Amino acid sequence: DIQMTQSPSSLSASVGDRVTITCRASQGIRNDLGWYQQKPGKAPKRLIYGASNLQSGVPSRFSGSGSGTEFTLTISSLQPEDFATYHCLQYNSYPLSFGGGTKVEIK
Amino acid sequence: EVQLVESGGGLVQPGGSLRLSCAASGFTLSYYWMTWVRQAPGKGLEWVANIKQDGSEKNYVDSVKGRFTISRDNAKNSLYLQMDSLRVEDTAMYYCARYVGAEYWGQGTLVTVSS
Repeated sequence: DIQMTQSPSSLSASVGDRVTITCRASQGIRNDLGWYQQKPGKAPKRLIYGASNLQSGVPSRFSGSGSGTEFTLTISSLQPEDFATYHCLQYNSYPLSFGGGTKVEIK
Repeated sequence: EVQLVESGGGLVQPGGSLRLSCAASGFTLSYYWMTWVRQAPGKGLEWVANIKQDGSEKNYVDSVKGRFTISRDNAKNSLYLQMDSLRVEDTAMYYCARYVGAEYWGQGTLVTVSS
């Protein structure tokens, strides 16, 4: 089974900050990775698919990169509505697996 | 507009059964793999199962194999999750999602397993 290690588990940042979240896969998953944003009490929303493709309607301040075992989600300039928990999902091989999540909090 | 609406959650005793449903609208269900994901209270997301467009392939996380069954009825635009032999650790919000990569999600239905 592929383990997804997401870091950090939480971070504090200010509006306007650049934020980077990382997911590492225990084995290569090509670019079969998605990033999701989840706000309290709400369903997750996909931001990125195929490691670097922006979901339609998602602001361009979100970007994804990486391939193989290391992946990054970057928020170029954090906005008030971006305070949320972020998750990665590998869909390369079964069982599919999520990272542990990163909670982005207001500094 | 793509919409996924889950139903069927509730309180059940350990060892009991529930059948979750996911009603799809705004797209042709038969074109897509469909997925169930769950989230225990205060915890992260866990992929549970998915099913191919025609139902010919199904995949499960080990912890539910032999207890949960995913199915679909494309004519009724519906996805299902039959959950048997429920355990306390199955307590979670259950989400259905479109496609292997969970492109769109429903709002979830809460399953509580407790005596």
